[in-house]
Amino acid sequence: GQNIDQPTEMTATEGAIVQINCTYQTSGFNGLFWYQQHAGEAPTFLSYNVLDGLEEKGRFSSFLSRSKGYSYLLLKELQMKDSASYLCAPRDMDSNYQLIWGAGTKLIIKP
Amino acid sequence: DAGITQSPRYKITETGRQVTLMCHQTWSHSYMFWYRQDLGHGLRLIYYSAAADITDKGEVPDGYVVSRSKTENFPLTLESATRSQTSVYFCASSESMGVSYGYTFGSGTRLTVV
Repeated sequence: GQNIDQPTEMTATEGAIVQINCTYQTSGFNGLFWYQQHAGEAPTFLSYNVLDGLEEKGRFSSFLSRSKGYSYLLLKELQMKDSASYLCAPRDMDSNYQLIWGAGTKLIIKP
Repeated sequence: DAGITQSPRYKITETGRQVTLMCHQTWSHSYMFWYRQDLGHGLRLIYYSAAADITDKGEVPDGYVVSRSKTENFPLTLESATRSQTSVYFCASSESMGVSYGYTFGSGTRLTVV
């Protein structure tokens, strides 16, 4: 079956680093997406991993280990505007290449 | 303007009424999707469409109807609204299913059924 696990909520301090973990189970893994969603707004694309390793994009990095069914999103130099929910979404080719969405991790940044 | 737009942004309706949520995209993307988002749940797929006149059920299709007569429009109709359909509805589009940038979402429609 399909399953996505992320922590429900995390708190971090402005200027610090935070890592948001995601474990997943899909029958036909075909890449993993991270999205950011501010309260009351639409999800917006952050990153995509299809091969093992780290993808860096400015203050944000995303890591994938396909053998472990594990990914993380790393946010550096946290800013107040990073307060949002972060959604992990693996793509499953056995489900017509649909994205399978986790419930998201609400990240609260404190000054 | 280019993009994906949803209307209305907010809607309150009564139980038993029919209501239609609109979605329009200007990119000529082949794929369009309707999701609902409820507290404690991830985005749940209601219906999706691979092209005009091609639609398919997602995870939670019961109580909803879609159509896609034109590539750019993908309306979602609640035939007889129930309180359990109170939710935030997002429309999304994608050029194909294999892209590395995922889906682009509309701003959402917050629907309340009273």
